Amino acid sequence: DIVMTQTPLSSPVTLGQPASISCRSSQSLVHNDGNTYLSWLQQRPGQPPRLLIYKISNRFSGVPDRFSGSGAGTDFTLKINRVEAEDVGVYYCMQVTQFPLTFGGGTKVEIK
Amino acid sequence: EVQLVESGGGLVQPGGSLRLSCAASGFTFSSYTMHWVRQAPGKGLEYVSTINTNGGSINYANSVKGRFTISRDNSKNMLYLQMGSLRAEDMALYYCARGRSPDYWGQGTLVTVSS
Repeated sequence: DIVMTQTPLSSPVTLGQPASISCRSSQSLVHNDGNTYLSWLQQRPGQPPRLLIYKISNRFSGVPDRFSGSGAGTDFTLKINRVEAEDVGVYYCMQVTQFPLTFGGGTKVEIK
Repeated sequence: EVQLVESGGGLVQPGGSLRLSCAASGFTFSSYTMHWVRQAPGKGLEYVSTINTNGGSINYANSVKGRFTISRDNSKNMLYLQMGSLRAEDMALYYCARGRSPDYWGQGTLVTVSS
Protein backbone atom coordinates (compact mmCIF):
# COMPACT_ATOMS: atom_id res chain seq x y z
CA ASP A 1 0.00 0.00 0.00
CA ILE A 2 1.13 3.56 -0.65
CA VAL A 3 1.78 5.41 2.59
CA MET A 4 0.95 9.11 2.65
CA THR A 5 2.84 11.19 5.20
CA GLN A 6 1.67 14.71 5.99
CA THR A 7 3.51 17.42 7.86
CA PRO A 8 2.99 19.27 10.08
CA LEU A 9 0.35 17.64 12.24
CA SER A 10 -0.83 21.05 13.33
CA SER A 11 -0.41 24.49 11.86
CA PRO A 12 -1.34 27.51 13.98
CA VAL A 13 -1.60 30.47 11.62
CA THR A 14 -2.29 34.17 12.02
CA LEU A 15 -5.24 35.42 10.00
CA GLY A 16 -4.04 36.81 6.69
CA GLN A 17 -0.78 34.89 6.81
CA PRO A 18 0.13 31.96 4.55
CA ALA A 19 0.05 28.30 5.48
CA SER A 20 1.73 25.36 3.83
CA ILE A 21 1.13 21.63 4.21
CA SER A 22 3.41 18.93 2.86
CA CYS A 23 2.49 15.45 1.75
CA ARG A 24 4.92 12.73 0.80
CA SER A 25 4.03 9.38 -0.73
CA SER A 26 6.03 6.19 -0.23
CA GLN A 27 6.11 5.65 -3.99
CA SER A 28 5.50 7.64 -7.13
CA LEU A 29 1.89 8.63 -7.73
CA VAL A 30 2.30 8.83 -11.50
CA HIS A 31 -0.34 6.57 -13.02
CA ASN A 32 0.17 4.47 -16.15
CA ASP A 33 -1.98 7.01 -18.00
CA GLY A 34 0.52 9.77 -17.19
CA ASN A 35 -1.65 11.55 -14.66
CA THR A 36 -0.81 11.98 -10.98
CA TYR A 37 -3.91 11.42 -8.91
CA LEU A 38 -3.15 13.39 -5.79
CA SER A 39 -6.06 15.26 -4.19
CA TRP A 40 -6.36 17.63 -1.26
CA LEU A 41 -9.44 17.59 0.94
CA GLN A 42 -10.64 20.04 3.58
CA GLN A 43 -12.75 18.94 6.51
CA ARG A 44 -14.23 21.72 8.57
CA PRO A 45 -15.40 20.85 12.10
CA GLY A 46 -18.53 18.72 12.00
CA GLN A 47 -18.57 18.60 8.21
CA PRO A 48 -17.82 15.92 5.60
CA PRO A 49 -14.66 16.22 3.54
CA ARG A 50 -14.67 18.67 0.67
CA LEU A 51 -12.47 18.43 -2.41
CA LEU A 52 -10.14 21.39 -2.84
CA ILE A 53 -7.51 20.24 -5.33
CA TYR A 54 -7.28 17.29 -7.71
CA LYS A 55 -4.44 15.96 -9.86
CA ILE A 56 -1.87 17.91 -7.83
CA SER A 57 -2.81 21.45 -8.79
CA ASN A 58 -6.34 21.70 -10.22
CA ARG A 59 -8.70 23.71 -8.04
CA PHE A 60 -12.16 22.20 -7.82
CA SER A 61 -15.24 24.24 -8.69
CA GLY A 62 -15.95 26.98 -6.15
CA VAL A 63 -12.63 26.71 -4.35
CA PRO A 64 -11.08 30.12 -3.65
CA ASP A 65 -7.89 30.91 -5.52
CA ARG A 66 -5.99 31.40 -2.27
CA PHE A 67 -5.68 27.60 -2.28
CA SER A 68 -3.02 26.13 -4.54
CA GLY A 69 -1.39 22.76 -4.99
CA SER A 70 2.00 21.83 -6.37
CA GLY A 71 4.47 19.00 -6.53
CA ALA A 72 5.37 15.95 -8.53
CA GLY A 73 6.24 12.28 -8.13
CA THR A 74 6.26 11.73 -4.37
CA ASP A 75 6.32 15.24 -2.89
CA PHE A 76 3.34 17.56 -2.84
CA THR A 77 2.32 20.81 -1.18
CA LEU A 78 -0.91 22.60 -0.42
CA LYS A 79 -0.61 26.33 0.15
CA ILE A 80 -3.16 28.73 1.53
CA ASN A 81 -2.16 32.19 0.40
CA ARG A 82 -3.84 34.21 3.16
CA VAL A 83 -5.61 32.17 5.80
CA GLU A 84 -9.18 33.19 6.61
CA ALA A 85 -11.28 32.13 9.58
CA GLU A 86 -13.34 29.78 7.42
CA ASP A 87 -10.18 27.81 6.55
CA VAL A 88 -10.00 26.28 10.03
CA GLY A 89 -10.21 22.52 9.85
CA VAL A 90 -8.25 19.42 8.99
CA TYR A 91 -6.63 19.00 5.61
CA TYR A 92 -5.92 15.62 4.05
CA CYS A 93 -3.92 14.56 1.05
CA MET A 94 -5.22 11.51 -0.75
CA GLN A 95 -3.80 9.34 -3.50
CA VAL A 96 -6.18 7.87 -6.07
CA THR A 97 -3.49 6.42 -8.31
CA GLN A 98 -3.42 2.93 -6.91
CA PHE A 99 -5.72 0.71 -4.87
CA PRO A 100 -6.16 0.72 -1.99
CA LEU A 101 -6.68 4.47 -1.95
CA THR A 102 -4.81 6.01 0.94
CA PHE A 103 -4.93 9.21 2.93
CA GLY A 104 -2.45 11.30 4.83
CA GLY A 105 -2.98 11.51 8.55
CA GLY A 106 -4.32 15.04 8.35
CA THR A 107 -3.05 18.51 9.24
CA LYS A 108 -5.06 20.67 11.59
CA VAL A 109 -5.11 24.33 10.60
CA GLU A 110 -6.07 26.64 13.44
CA ILE A 111 -5.92 30.33 14.07
CA LYS A 112 -3.34 31.66 16.52
CA GLU B 1 -27.10 19.97 -7.77
CA VAL B 2 -25.09 16.87 -6.96
CA GLN B 3 -26.37 15.14 -3.84
CA LEU B 4 -25.24 12.01 -2.06
CA VAL B 5 -27.35 10.89 0.88
CA GLU B 6 -26.24 7.96 3.00
CA SER B 7 -28.58 5.94 5.18
CA GLY B 8 -28.77 2.63 6.99
CA GLY B 9 -26.38 3.28 9.84
CA GLY B 10 -27.24 2.39 13.40
CA LEU B 11 -26.34 0.31 16.42
CA VAL B 12 -25.36 -3.29 15.76
CA GLN B 13 -23.84 -5.97 17.97
CA PRO B 14 -20.37 -7.35 17.27
CA GLY B 15 -20.67 -10.05 14.66
CA GLY B 16 -23.80 -8.51 13.23
CA SER B 17 -24.66 -7.17 9.79
CA LEU B 18 -25.80 -3.89 8.35
CA ARG B 19 -26.53 -2.56 4.89
CA LEU B 20 -25.67 1.02 4.06
CA SER B 21 -27.21 2.87 1.15
CA CYS B 22 -26.20 5.99 -0.72
CA ALA B 23 -28.84 7.75 -2.82
CA ALA B 24 -27.37 9.79 -5.65
CA SER B 25 -29.04 12.63 -7.52
CA GLY B 26 -28.19 15.61 -9.69
CA PHE B 27 -25.81 13.76 -12.01
CA THR B 28 -25.62 10.71 -14.28
CA PHE B 29 -24.89 8.13 -11.60
CA SER B 30 -24.03 5.36 -14.05
CA SER B 31 -21.10 7.40 -15.40
CA TYR B 32 -19.16 7.59 -12.15
CA THR B 33 -16.99 5.30 -10.09
CA MET B 34 -18.14 5.43 -6.48
CA HIS B 35 -16.37 4.93 -3.15
CA TRP B 36 -17.07 4.26 0.50
CA VAL B 37 -14.74 5.97 2.97
CA ARG B 38 -15.07 5.86 6.75
CA GLN B 39 -13.96 7.93 9.68
CA ALA B 40 -13.80 6.61 13.22
CA PRO B 41 -14.69 9.13 15.94
CA GLY B 42 -11.90 11.69 16.27
CA LYS B 43 -9.75 9.92 13.67
CA GLY B 44 -8.70 10.42 10.08
CA LEU B 45 -10.19 9.18 6.83
CA GLU B 46 -9.93 5.50 5.94
CA TYR B 47 -10.63 3.91 2.57
CA VAL B 48 -13.23 1.14 2.50
CA SER B 49 -14.20 0.21 -1.05
CA THR B 50 -14.62 1.30 -4.68
CA ILE B 51 -16.90 0.14 -7.47
CA ASN B 52 -16.59 1.18 -11.09
CA THR B 53 -19.44 2.35 -13.30
CA ASN B 54 -20.90 -1.05 -14.19
CA GLY B 55 -19.83 -2.99 -11.11
CA GLY B 56 -17.29 -4.97 -13.07
CA SER B 57 -14.31 -3.71 -11.09
CA ILE B 58 -14.37 -3.66 -7.29
CA ASN B 59 -11.70 -2.99 -4.69
CA TYR B 60 -11.63 -3.27 -0.92
CA ALA B 61 -9.40 -2.27 1.93
CA ASN B 62 -7.68 -5.31 3.44
CA SER B 63 -9.42 -4.53 6.73
CA VAL B 64 -12.87 -5.24 5.26
CA LYS B 65 -12.12 -7.76 2.53
CA GLY B 66 -14.29 -10.84 2.88
CA ARG B 67 -16.68 -9.11 5.28
CA PHE B 68 -18.04 -6.16 3.25
CA THR B 69 -19.60 -6.15 -0.21
CA ILE B 70 -20.04 -3.05 -2.34
CA SER B 71 -22.68 -2.94 -5.04
CA ARG B 72 -24.70 -0.49 -7.08
CA ASP B 73 -28.02 -0.26 -8.88
CA ASN B 74 -27.66 2.21 -11.73
CA SER B 75 -31.38 1.98 -12.51
CA LYS B 76 -32.13 3.34 -9.04
CA ASN B 77 -29.08 5.63 -8.67
CA MET B 78 -28.10 3.76 -5.54
CA LEU B 79 -24.81 2.63 -4.03
CA TYR B 80 -24.72 0.00 -1.29
CA LEU B 81 -22.35 -1.42 1.28
CA GLN B 82 -23.31 -4.73 2.83
CA MET B 83 -21.33 -5.12 6.03
CA GLY B 84 -21.00 -8.41 7.90
CA SER B 85 -19.06 -9.84 10.84
CA LEU B 86 -18.91 -6.35 12.25
CA ARG B 87 -16.23 -5.51 14.78
CA ALA B 88 -15.71 -2.70 17.25
CA GLU B 89 -13.10 -1.24 14.92
CA ASP B 90 -15.70 -0.87 12.15
CA MET B 91 -17.48 1.78 14.20
CA ALA B 92 -17.30 4.96 12.16
CA LEU B 93 -19.06 7.54 10.07
CA TYR B 94 -19.38 6.06 6.61
CA TYR B 95 -19.25 8.40 3.62
CA CYS B 96 -20.03 7.70 -0.01
CA ALA B 97 -18.04 9.74 -2.49
CA ARG B 98 -18.14 10.26 -6.23
CA GLY B 99 -15.60 9.89 -8.95
CA ARG B 100 -11.87 9.70 -9.42
CA SER B 101 -10.92 12.73 -7.33
CA PRO B 102 -13.38 12.13 -5.47
CA ASP B 103 -15.25 15.38 -5.91
CA TYR B 104 -18.51 15.10 -3.97
CA TRP B 105 -19.10 13.53 -0.58
CA GLY B 106 -22.24 12.75 1.36
CA GLN B 107 -22.88 13.77 4.96
CA GLY B 108 -22.22 10.26 6.22
CA THR B 109 -24.12 7.64 8.18
CA LEU B 110 -22.95 6.50 11.60
CA VAL B 111 -22.33 2.85 12.35
CA THR B 112 -21.99 1.93 16.02
CA VAL B 113 -20.80 -1.55 16.92
CA SER B 114 -21.44 -2.38 20.54
CA SER B 115 -23.03 -5.03 22.72
